[in-house]
Amino acid sequence: AQSVTQLDSQVPVFEEAPVELRCNYSSSVSVYLFWYVQYPNQGLQLLLKYLSGSTLVESINGFEAEFNKSQTSFHLRKPSVHISDTAEYFCAVLRMDSSYKLIFGSGTRLLVRP
Amino acid sequence: DTGVSQDPRHKITKRGQNVTFRCDPISEHNRLYWYRQTLGQGPEFLTYFQNEAQLEKSRLLSDRFSAERPKGSFSTLEIQRTEQGDSAMYLCASSSRDSTGYNEQFFGPGTRLTVL
Repeated sequence: AQSVTQLDSQVPVFEEAPVELRCNYSSSVSVYLFWYVQYPNQGLQLLLKYLSGSTLVESINGFEAEFNKSQTSFHLRKPSVHISDTAEYFCAVLRMDSSYKLIFGSGTRLLVRP
Repeated sequence: DTGVSQDPRHKITKRGQNVTFRCDPISEHNRLYWYRQTLGQGPEFLTYFQNEAQLEKSRLLSDRFSAERPKGSFSTLEIQRTEQGDSAMYLCASSSRDSTGYNEQFFGPGTRLTVL
């Protein structure tokens, strides 16, 4: 079975400060890794994904995440956040051998303050 | 709009009533998924279809829940004899399957169910 742990339920941060949202996963098989973002009253949007290759992946709006196989982590980082980054962020995994069931963490609410 | 759409966006019902939600996937996507998201939690997988075939159902999907995708296009999720514990956001997603085996799931806006 797979599981995803997001230890921080809420992360408050001031605008233009750096942020890291932590994600650890457990799986007995190889998985793909994802970060989704959910803005208020909207559906989930894929922020970035790790499928293979370089362990550092980036999004178009300045977020990045690094796959660390030895620590089974996929932490999300941004060097300087904006007010508009305020949202709920979900880490998720997908088994490579049966790629249909996303397993999500419980989410981290990023609250950016002016 | 060519994204995944869900109807209704909000549903308030009384305990014991039946409700039905509809999901229209992105056209030509052959896979369709249902997830449930309760307050303060991440989405949990309920079931998925490949074309019209329902290929897996989570244990979360009790006998009161039924999902269909009769023509391999839109899907419905029905909850019979609703309970207060059914209050949640019901999310639908769709995907195609590419040659590498990875298929990005595109999510709809969800249907928020409140059972009084």
